[in-house]
Amino acid sequence: NAGVTQTPKFQVLKTGQSMTLQCAQDMNHNSMYWYRQDPGMGLRLIYYSASEGTTDKGEVPNGYNVSRLNKREFSLRLESAAPSQTSVYFCASKFGGEEFFGPGTRLTVL
Amino acid sequence: QKEVEQDPGPLSVPEGAIVSLNCTYSNSAFQYFMWYRQYSRKGPELLMYTYSSGNKEDGRFTAQVDKSSKYISLFIRDSQPSDSATYLCAMSAIPNAGGTSYGKLTFGQGTILTVHP
Repeated sequence: NAGVTQTPKFQVLKTGQSMTLQCAQDMNHNSMYWYRQDPGMGLRLIYYSASEGTTDKGEVPNGYNVSRLNKREFSLRLESAAPSQTSVYFCASKFGGEEFFGPGTRLTVL
Repeated sequence: QKEVEQDPGPLSVPEGAIVSLNCTYSNSAFQYFMWYRQYSRKGPELLMYTYSSGNKEDGRFTAQVDKSSKYISLFIRDSQPSDSATYLCAMSAIPNAGGTSYGKLTFGQGTILTVHP
């Protein structure tokens, strides 16, 4: 099992560009999450999906959209990137009490 | 005020020391408490998970929860250089139900720990 995979690993964007961060899990988990991690801020929830076909806003959803394509895949889209979105993005899936995290995507917006 | 407060450190200790990491929280609805370990440039991984007040031990690690004081701790005995990482506390208010879970985690800021030989 690959667990939770994320692509790309690194990305540099210019202000105003758009991009989609991809996440997939092969553990058959219902719940999936997108977080961003900034220095001194811990992990902050952007969006989550409790099950296929449903998505909900987390703590910091502004500037982002998500799609739960199927049970395996949960993508995060930045429609018009801003420097404030420079961060490390983590996708996670959950079963029972444990969240399994992907390796992260390091995004820089210039 | 953040719902979960964690001293970001950094914390530097000699090998073999006992390490104490702490979080306080304000939301009395939090029922599930977790500690995650995150190595540099990696995703967090679950280290300890506990529900009730009291202590839970796993090898060199002990998680302690005091719901009356809204305070949780992680103790690391005989610390090793391989324990050097960022430690994040996390909490959830909604219980898990069977194979599906809707509980959202609220994380502390993370404490950077370095154990030097």
